[in-house]
Amino acid sequence: SQKIEQNSEALNIQEGKTATLTCNYTNYSPAYLQWYRQDPGRGPVFLLLIRENEKEKRKERLKVTFDTTLKQSLFHITASQPADSATYLCALPRTGGFKTIFGAGTRLFVKA
Amino acid sequence: DVKVTQSSRYLVKRTGEKVFLECVQDMDHENMFWYRQDPGLGLRLIYFSYDVKMKEKGDIPEGYSVSREKKERFSLILESASTNQTSMYLCASTNPGTGAPNTGELFFGEGSRLTVL
Repeated sequence: SQKIEQNSEALNIQEGKTATLTCNYTNYSPAYLQWYRQDPGRGPVFLLLIRENEKEKRKERLKVTFDTTLKQSLFHITASQPADSATYLCALPRTGGFKTIFGAGTRLFVKA
Repeated sequence: DVKVTQSSRYLVKRTGEKVFLECVQDMDHENMFWYRQDPGLGLRLIYFSYDVKMKEKGDIPEGYSVSREKKERFSLILESASTNQTSMYLCASTNPGTGAPNTGELFFGEGSRLTVL
């Protein structure tokens, strides 16, 4: 069955460093992959989309890569700030339908 | 500013009660979704609707039903609440489309945290 895996352990980094989060998927050949940010007690907010024919996408301090051979996406936040502390969710469109499937998310803590 | 509004942020209900969770979007989106989110399990799709009066089951529809009488409103109904339905419920909407520039971006509400005692 189609599966998305994100590191369930929280990631703790120092302010100013680069945070890197990983999303792996199996039994998928998605046309695109999305990343969302979720703050505690709030709904997820869309950040970036990367298509299967794109290797890399940037938006301000965010960078996403998409390796369809490895079936993996990496999400980077450069020059991280305490305000970047949140849970980051990876999402993929399920084959053949409207549905979007989400990973369980990785919690990021950025210490000042 | 685009918005998905969920009627209740926090609810406490008793086992066996009927529960209604309401969701309204102001973006004229065709597709609407109900997810539940539990620690370690991520978001799981309960039901979705791609048009008025149309609905399809998601991955975990048991114990739930939905209603979409108007395009902007999608309701989730728990016919007889049980303790294992204690969860965060998230409504989302989007427009369908293929290829660029459509992103399939989902717009979420703030969530409804339901506790069933």
